[in-house]
Amino acid sequence: SAVISQKPSRDICQRGTSLTIQCQVDSQVTMMFWYRQQPGQSLTLIATANQGSEATYESGFVIDKFPISRPNLTFSTLTVSNMSPEDSSIYLCSVQGGQGQETQYFGPGTRLLVL
Amino acid sequence: QKEVEQNSGPLSVPEGAIASLNCTYSDRGSQSFFWYRQYSGKSPELIMFIYSNGDKEDGRFTAQLNKASQYVSLLIRDSQPSDSATYLCAVLESGYSTLTFGKGTMLLVSP
Repeated sequence: SAVISQKPSRDICQRGTSLTIQCQVDSQVTMMFWYRQQPGQSLTLIATANQGSEATYESGFVIDKFPISRPNLTFSTLTVSNMSPEDSSIYLCSVQGGQGQETQYFGPGTRLLVL
Repeated sequence: QKEVEQNSGPLSVPEGAIASLNCTYSDRGSQSFFWYRQYSGKSPELIMFIYSNGDKEDGRFTAQLNKASQYVSLLIRDSQPSDSATYLCAVLESGYSTLTFGKGTMLLVSP
C-alpha cells in the first residue's frame, strides 16, 4: 500500500485563523480524500480531492470553509478557514488503491485544537 | 441516505476468546465492504475487505458477508489484549468511490 504522510501532525490555533494541512503520497494515486473525525466520533468525509479540477464536497461542507488543492497525483492540501473551537478535530487524508482497487488507506492524521 | 450501523460497545472478551463484531448496512446496491482497526490516537488501519457472500479468512481474522441480510461481520479468533481498539465497518456503494463508515465498535480484550 502507499505510504502517506501529513503535515503538521498536530497544531493549536487561535479562533479566526486558518490552517493548511498537507498530504503527500509516495506514489501516484487517482483518488484522494479528506475526512474529519471529531472526538469520540466516526469518520466523516469532507471532500474528494480531484486532480486538475475543483474538489467534490459532501453535504454540509463548503469550499469557502475547506478549500482543497490537488496540484498533482501525489499531493493535496486542505485548508481549514476562519477556525472556531468546533473545528477542533482530527483531519485525515486517505488514498484509494492497493490490494483491491477500491481499498482506502489513511494517513496518520492532523490533530487540530482551536482555542 | 446510506447508513452503516454498528453497536458502539464496548464489547468485552477474555484473552483467547472469539470476538464477533457486527455491521448492517441500508443500501442494497453496496458491493464492497471493509473493516478498519483504529487504536486510540491513531488513524484507521485496513484489516480486511470482502466483496462476495461467504467467509474470507486472513490469519486470526474472518470477515463474513451476507448480502441478502445486508450484514457483514468480523470474527477475531484467539483474541489478544493488543486487539483492543475500535473497529470500523465501511461500505462502498456500486458506482461510487466514497466510503460510508459506521460509528465503530470498541473491543476490549482482558488478559
